[in-house]
Amino acid sequence: AQSVTQLGSHVSVSEGALVLLRCNYSSSVPPYLFWYVQYPNQGLQLLLKYTSAATLVKGINGFEAEFKKSETSFHLTKPSAHMSDAAEYFCAVSDRGAQKLVFGQGTRLTINP
Amino acid sequence: DAGITQSPRYKITETGRQVTLMCHQTWSHSYMFWYRQDLGHGLRLIYYSAAADITDKGEVPDGYVVSRSKTENFPLTLESATRSQTSVYFCASSEAATYEQYFGPGTRLTVT
Repeated sequence: AQSVTQLGSHVSVSEGALVLLRCNYSSSVPPYLFWYVQYPNQGLQLLLKYTSAATLVKGINGFEAEFKKSETSFHLTKPSAHMSDAAEYFCAVSDRGAQKLVFGQGTRLTINP
Repeated sequence: DAGITQSPRYKITETGRQVTLMCHQTWSHSYMFWYRQDLGHGLRLIYYSAAADITDKGEVPDGYVVSRSKTENFPLTLESATRSQTSVYFCASSEAATYEQYFGPGTRLTVT
């Protein structure tokens, strides 16, 4: 079964600093990969997805993620953090062609002024 | 307005009672999903549906029942609520071609 691990349940960065949220998946066949963001008391919103050959995926709000097959990773980055980026971030995986998602446990991102 | 809505947003019920959480989407998406969110577990899939009258179990289906008589609605029923079902429940929908799931605002359920 697919599984996904997010390293670090809580990440704290300064405003303007690089954001790096880590995600590793377990699958011998490259899956589909997603990052979602959840703001307090809201549902999840899709940031970006990897479903094709392009390994560097750009999403909304300046976020991007790179699919690295050799490392089974799909880390999320943003060059310069903004206070509005404070939220919980979830990495999710699905088998290719499947609709069901398996979510990681989430990483809470805090931005320090 | 177009989108995905859930009702109620907050619910308190007693152990042993039946409770139904509603989910409605206006996009005519073929797929719909129910998740529960608990601290330390992320989101876990309860049930999903590929189309009207087609449903299937997810990771944690025990104690829950779903139905989908119309494409736009996907109610989740707890037949006899237990304290372990205290959670935040999210409904989502997606169109098969995009694999992008759109989430509702959630229902916070407390079972006393």
